[in-house]
Amino acid sequence: ILNVEQSPQSLHVQEGDSTNFTCSFPSSNFYALHWYRWETAKSPEALFVMTLNGDEKKKGRISATLNTKEGYSYLYIKGSQPEDSATYLCAFAYQAGTALIFGKGTTLSVSS
Amino acid sequence: GAGVSQTPSNKVTEKGKYVELRCDPISGHTALYWYRQSLGQGPEFLIYFQGTGAADDSGLPNDRFFAVRPEGSVSTLKIQRTERGDSAVYLCASSPFRGGQDTQYFGPGTRLTVL
Repeated sequence: ILNVEQSPQSLHVQEGDSTNFTCSFPSSNFYALHWYRWETAKSPEALFVMTLNGDEKKKGRISATLNTKEGYSYLYIKGSQPEDSATYLCAFAYQAGTALIFGKGTTLSVSS
Repeated sequence: GAGVSQTPSNKVTEKGKYVELRCDPISGHTALYWYRQSLGQGPEFLIYFQGTGAADDSGLPNDRFFAVRPEGSVSTLKIQRTERGDSAVYLCASSPFRGGQDTQYFGPGTRLTVL
């Protein structure tokens, strides 16, 4: 059974803090790793698709790294803002043409 | 352009009833996915369409669940004899080709509550 684990389950930070989350996935049969941000009452929003070991991607204050050999990805948020409050989901694909296998997500709450 | 839309946004029904959930994917996207998110869980795969055909329906929990995509665009997820355990947010996503490395674009979901 392919399993994706995310930690922490939730966290609360102050505005301006930097934070990071972890996504662990099977290191064998890797095809792609996706990160999504899901705000309440909205559609999950795609952040990154990562495919190569050592990939680093950045979008504004958010960045992500990928280690396919050991099966983990980190998502970093620099200088958190209240609008960053959301659930961050990672999802693993083990081959082309398959659905994504999601973790349970990390729920971030940023206080001003 | 228009994103993925899902209707209704909320559906409350009674145990034993039949429900249909609709998904309008992004125009031109050939791949369409249905997921279900139960409380405290991540989205779980239900079924994947490539064009009009179901390429993978291994995630459907039992034969009460069925989905169609007759013209390769709009899809309907059908649940017969609903049970309280079917209560969840049902998400639809589409992607240009075969998924995997392609970004899947999600709709806002349908929140189904079975009383």
